[in-house]
Amino acid sequence: AQTVTQSQPEMSVQEAETVTLSCTYDTSESDYYLFWYKQPPSRQMILVIRQEAYKQQNATENRFSVNFQKAAKSFSLKISDSQLGDAAMYFCAYSGSRLTFGEGTQLTVNP
Amino acid sequence: DTAVSQTPKYLVTQMGNDKSIKCEQNLGHDTMYWYKQDSKKFLKIMFSYNNKELIINETVPNRFSPKSPDKAHLNLHINSLELGDSAVYFCASSPAGGGSQETQYFGPGTRLLVL
Repeated sequence: AQTVTQSQPEMSVQEAETVTLSCTYDTSESDYYLFWYKQPPSRQMILVIRQEAYKQQNATENRFSVNFQKAAKSFSLKISDSQLGDAAMYFCAYSGSRLTFGEGTQLTVNP
Repeated sequence: DTAVSQTPKYLVTQMGNDKSIKCEQNLGHDTMYWYKQDSKKFLKIMFSYNNKELIINETVPNRFSPKSPDKAHLNLHINSLELGDSAVYFCASSPAGGGSQETQYFGPGTRLLVL
């Protein structure tokens, strides 16, 4: 079974600074996808970014980018120029036979 | 608005009652899911349906019964509610067969509180 681990239960960042959220996963599959979802206090699960495992190039969406290290099974999320609206719970997710989520990292953005 | 919607958003009920949560998606997707998010915010899949057919059925008590009247709807019925059923339940959908490459789109969640 696949497992996803987010080792940072909480992180904080100053507004306009950069923060990196860590995620590691365990799998024996070679073809899979990885996602970061954001859950603000509204509870809505919002897709932030996705990465195809067969692509070496790291995915980027505006201020959000990933560092995907397939051999190390690592998939970290970098948020640049952090904004107050980035404050949320961030979930890393592995997509193989099913979508498996990590435990989440609660991000606080300080003004 | 194109979206995944759930009703109700909040549900407070007594132990032993039976309740249903409804989900609808107007994205034209073929696959729908139910997830449970516990008090520690851990999200776990419960069921998924592809074109009204059950394709994932995780280890979930028999008191939980999903029903998909058509591919745009997936309802969750819970019998004999227990305190441990208190959680947020999310519906989600994805475009095709539910393969690993598909992005899942989530509804707003239903917060269930069993007293």
